[in-house]
Amino acid sequence: DGGITQSPKYLFRKEGQNVTLSCEQNLNHDAMYWYRQDPGQGLRLIYYSQIVNDFQKGDIAEGYSVSREKKESFPLTVTSAQKNPTAFYLCASSIWPQVAFFGQGTRLTVV
Amino acid sequence: AQTVTQSQPEMSVQEAETVTLSCTYDTSESNYYLFWYKQPPSRQMILVIRQEAYKQQNATENRFSVNFQKAAKSFSLKISDSQLGDTAMYFCAFQGAQKLVFGQGTRLTINP
Repeated sequence: DGGITQSPKYLFRKEGQNVTLSCEQNLNHDAMYWYRQDPGQGLRLIYYSQIVNDFQKGDIAEGYSVSREKKESFPLTVTSAQKNPTAFYLCASSIWPQVAFFGQGTRLTVV
Repeated sequence: AQTVTQSQPEMSVQEAETVTLSCTYDTSESNYYLFWYKQPPSRQMILVIRQEAYKQQNATENRFSVNFQKAAKSFSLKISDSQLGDTAMYFCAFQGAQKLVFGQGTRLTINP
């Protein structure tokens, strides 16, 4: 079945540690996105990519990094520079003009 | 830059009533799509309805319909005969040529 997969579902990070969230899609979508959601809040765009080897900063890119080496994959690294990383992270993919598909999300907690 | 604004953080109605959620957006693009997504407690994003900007006719999906006012950059969602299962966060979203941008969300509660 085609879809978009995020892993892990739950992730714990120690202070000062970098962690990487995985996002894989087999829908042959060109565009991929990362969003952050805080409790009771909307989805804020972190990074997005329209093609392989190219990506753009969203509204809250500081403290995050991404890569797009393959069409299917768009991993997000939460670096130690992100001072408040505890949140729910959603990955999405789309191909214009179709509807975006979302992963199940990763809940990141700083311990 | 594209922005999406939902001015109602929370709404609450009785079962079977009709409720309208508001959304405004700002863009300089002429070709774009607008969406309403539902997010239940499971956090899964579920597409409710979609509107192409070039279509003047308002989209309808069963009990869900939109009022799309392109000149006013307004895109409201009407839920008719509301059901308990409609309780969720609702997000308005804009998809242009580059980005998919979301509003802050409206928490909708349907009371029995």
